[in-house]
Amino acid sequence: QSALTQPASVSGSPGQSITIACTGTRSDIGTYYLVSWYQQHPGKGPKLILYEVTKRPSGVSSRFSGSNSGNTASLTISELQAEDEADYYCCSYAGSSWVFGGGTKLTVL
Amino acid sequence: QVQLVESGGGVVQPGRSLRLSCTASGFSFSDYAMHWVRQAPGKGLEWVAVISHDGSITYQGGSVKGRLTVSRDNSKNTLYLDLNSLRTEDTAAYYCAKDLEWKHLDYWGQGTLVTVSS
Repeated sequence: QSALTQPASVSGSPGQSITIACTGTRSDIGTYYLVSWYQQHPGKGPKLILYEVTKRPSGVSSRFSGSNSGNTASLTISELQAEDEADYYCCSYAGSSWVFGGGTKLTVL
Repeated sequence: QVQLVESGGGVVQPGRSLRLSCTASGFSFSDYAMHWVRQAPGKGLEWVAVISHDGSITYQGGSVKGRLTVSRDNSKNTLYLDLNSLRTEDTAAYYCAKDLEWKHLDYWGQGTLVTVSS
């Protein structure tokens, strides 16, 4: 199972919006539409911020939103804040296995 | 609240074995499947394995298949990962994570670092 494809880095200024794309295949995103997104700050364990493409766990800001089209899922963070600076990973169920993206480093300028 | 605490990491020589543990609290451990995920230094996340709530079903990722055993003791609220024939490329932080409906991983621990080196 190959890793999902994400851009290595994105950046934005406070108050702006950014979008991170996550591209998979018909074996994962394109079939199951079970994509989750995780935020990881340095030295910490990942935190779930979106699941089933668009759903937010309790306590996660509404500034985080998701979408899906075919084999590609996307994470949008609106109204960027300094605390959003972190690594972001997408993940898809792939039928008795799970596959992650390579991760995207978000820099808030 | 949900807490997952990994332990058992350390420095180990190539070819040796190691057992990692993950102690859970704050939820009914025996009702949920559990995952192991690893992260090599400076690299991304790699899914390693999953075990069903009762331990009857396990699946492993491709890069470690055949060299690890995942198990659990629901009476102790503890998840285990036995790593065998360790290689330098197994050097990573190993995280345990709680499963959400066999679809997603909703809570993660802080990880335990395994360094394979002679």
